[in-house]
Amino acid sequence: QVQLVQSGAEVKKPGSSLTVSCKASGGTFSSYDFSWVRQAPGQGLEWMGMISPISGTTTYAQKFQGRLTITADESTTTTYMYLSSLRSEDTAVYFCARDQFAYYYDSSDYYPQGFWGQGTLVTVSS
Amino acid sequence: DIVMTQSPDSLAVSLGERATINCKSSQSVFSSSHNKNYLAWYQQKPGQPPKLLIYWASTRESGVPDRFSGSGSGTDFTLTISSLQAEDVAVYYCQQYYNTPLAFGPGTKVEIK
Repeated sequence: QVQLVQSGAEVKKPGSSLTVSCKASGGTFSSYDFSWVRQAPGQGLEWMGMISPISGTTTYAQKFQGRLTITADESTTTTYMYLSSLRSEDTAVYFCARDQFAYYYDSSDYYPQGFWGQGTLVTVSS
Repeated sequence: DIVMTQSPDSLAVSLGERATINCKSSQSVFSSSHNKNYLAWYQQKPGQPPKLLIYWASTRESGVPDRFSGSGSGTDFTLTISSLQAEDVAVYYCQQYYNTPLAFGPGTKVEIK
């Protein structure tokens, strides 16, 4: 079965950078797009960006342009989320998520996220 | 960017009664080429990641109880829980995946009355 296991909780200083990993097992890694979604304390879900491992193509929400980098390593079936210039407002739980369907399912550009990691709590505080 | 809204923000329903959540997108999420609405519903319980319940606006994910149903097209959608159970207490989010940035609604909290 599909499983996404994320790296552990982090405490960061303002201005520093963050890397969160997400190791996928089950299914063919390169056949599915991966998204990163965050959730600030007591708030809703915010889509940050996504990567298509087979092509390396990334798409980022405008809000995170210039600060966010998402990568994927097919050899280790791991996707990474790198966020720089951290501020207190970046305090949140960060989730990785895999698409429900493979990219070739029906030629749609995008799909819902059917599998989620457990979440990584990131606290940004001086 | 497509903006998603939901109503109500929260609702309290008696056990066994119907719960209805509405979701609206700022532009149509229907694809005529695929004849599908690019709209999903998720359930999130405290301390857990979201769980996909429904996609293509009305297709129930495998293993999801049939008391959950989705309907609507274009810009207006509804999630219905036909007979609320205690384990359905959660926050429910709609999401459009018609284009990027993918976007979630603000969520609707469902509680027991």
